[in-house]
Amino acid sequence: GQQVMQIPQYQHVQEGEDFTTYCNSSTTLSNIQWYKQRPGGHPVFLIQLVKSGEVKKQKRLTFQFGEAKKNSSLHITATQTTDVGTYFCAGMVVGAQKLVFGQGTRLTINP
Amino acid sequence: DTGVSQDPRHKITKRGQNVTFRCDPISEHNRLYWYRQTLGQGPEFLTYFQNEAQLEKSRLLSDRFSAERPKGSFSTLEIQRTEQGDSAMYLCASSLRTGFNFNYGYTFGSGTRLTVV
Repeated sequence: GQQVMQIPQYQHVQEGEDFTTYCNSSTTLSNIQWYKQRPGGHPVFLIQLVKSGEVKKQKRLTFQFGEAKKNSSLHITATQTTDVGTYFCAGMVVGAQKLVFGQGTRLTINP
Repeated sequence: DTGVSQDPRHKITKRGQNVTFRCDPISEHNRLYWYRQTLGQGPEFLTYFQNEAQLEKSRLLSDRFSAERPKGSFSTLEIQRTEQGDSAMYLCASSLRTGFNFNYGYTFGSGTRLTVV
């Protein structure tokens, strides 16, 4: 079945450093979504990417969708303590109707 | 209607007992999903509904699990004869899918944490 792999599993940075998490799918995706889950919380939708090669920005967050629509990345510039949490990518296979989540990248920040 | 509501927030049950969880989605959303999440893992798909129709159920889901969404409103997830391996956070999410086949992001509830002892 479809698999969505995310790396790294954990990332610890100093406040102010950049952070990147990568997502790879075994199959072509119709779209990819990113979610953030704070400790003890539930996943919260951040963004959806649909087009090949698409790049979207939300303040310090930059999301990319690969040309082949099989990979994606999330980059955070100059991390802040409010960025702490686990970031999940979730892909929807072409023709499917459900999201398949990656294992997540847990970000911790040293203030 | 401020979000997706799940009840109860926590459930402790003895092995072999049946449990039922409820999810109230955002009223404007036509799709409802159930996911299961264990510690350190991403949400794992269980099943989803479009309005009242259950359109897909995970092959990993045993026959002990059943979900309903009567009248396309709230949904229930029942687990029969619970096992210790069923201990997890059960997340409900809703979303809107338009007639143009556009999928919007999911809105998750706070989840029901199940502990089977």
